[in-house]
Amino acid sequence: SAVISQKPSRDICQRGTSLTIQCQVDSQVTMMFWYRQQPGQSLTLIATANQGSEATYESGFVIDKFPISRPNLTFSTLTVSNMSPEDSSIYLCSVSTGATNYGYTFGSGTRLTVV
Amino acid sequence: GESVGLHLPTLSVQEGDNSIINCAYSNSASDYFIWYKQESGKGPQFIIDIRSNMDKRQGQRVTVLLNKTVKHLSLQIAATQPGDSAVYFCAEIGGGSYIPTFGRGTSLIVHP
Repeated sequence: SAVISQKPSRDICQRGTSLTIQCQVDSQVTMMFWYRQQPGQSLTLIATANQGSEATYESGFVIDKFPISRPNLTFSTLTVSNMSPEDSSIYLCSVSTGATNYGYTFGSGTRLTVV
Repeated sequence: GESVGLHLPTLSVQEGDNSIINCAYSNSASDYFIWYKQESGKGPQFIIDIRSNMDKRQGQRVTVLLNKTVKHLSLQIAATQPGDSAVYFCAEIGGGSYIPTFGRGTSLIVHP
């Protein structure tokens, strides 16, 4: 399965600032996704990162708040913009290799605390 | 879809016991299901999967049961070990989507 390197692993940020999270995969993958996991809760899909075009956002998430880039088949970034304490969460990158079992793999996550 | 709860349910077991973790899924059109294990500070890891044309699938120490009639999925862990302590999530795929939708999650605590 694909190996994902996600950076930073954690950060503490001031409200009003922005943080960019990087997701690097060791092989080309079909699909890349970004999830949010609020404290003690399940994973919620933010968006699908599309290579060479704008990301596809889920209901409740907008590009101005969570801009996403995917310049190639192995790399994506998620920016959390104009942060508030409510943005404190774990942000996870996930990829699919498109294998029979979809081959979904997750990064180790970025634990964000906004103060 | 299923709403996200405020707190994860917890299952506490003794080492060596069998554990059963349950999940209710929301979409009757889902045709593929996955169980993930998430340890503290890590991302979810694939444990086992099952397609909707099956009602049982076994792995190493784990068994997944699927009851499509009541939209229920369970994960059975045999001879539970302290290393099994983690949060377990079920995920469903299908109904026109190829992206997993995650269930609420259960925190499993194994006491030595």
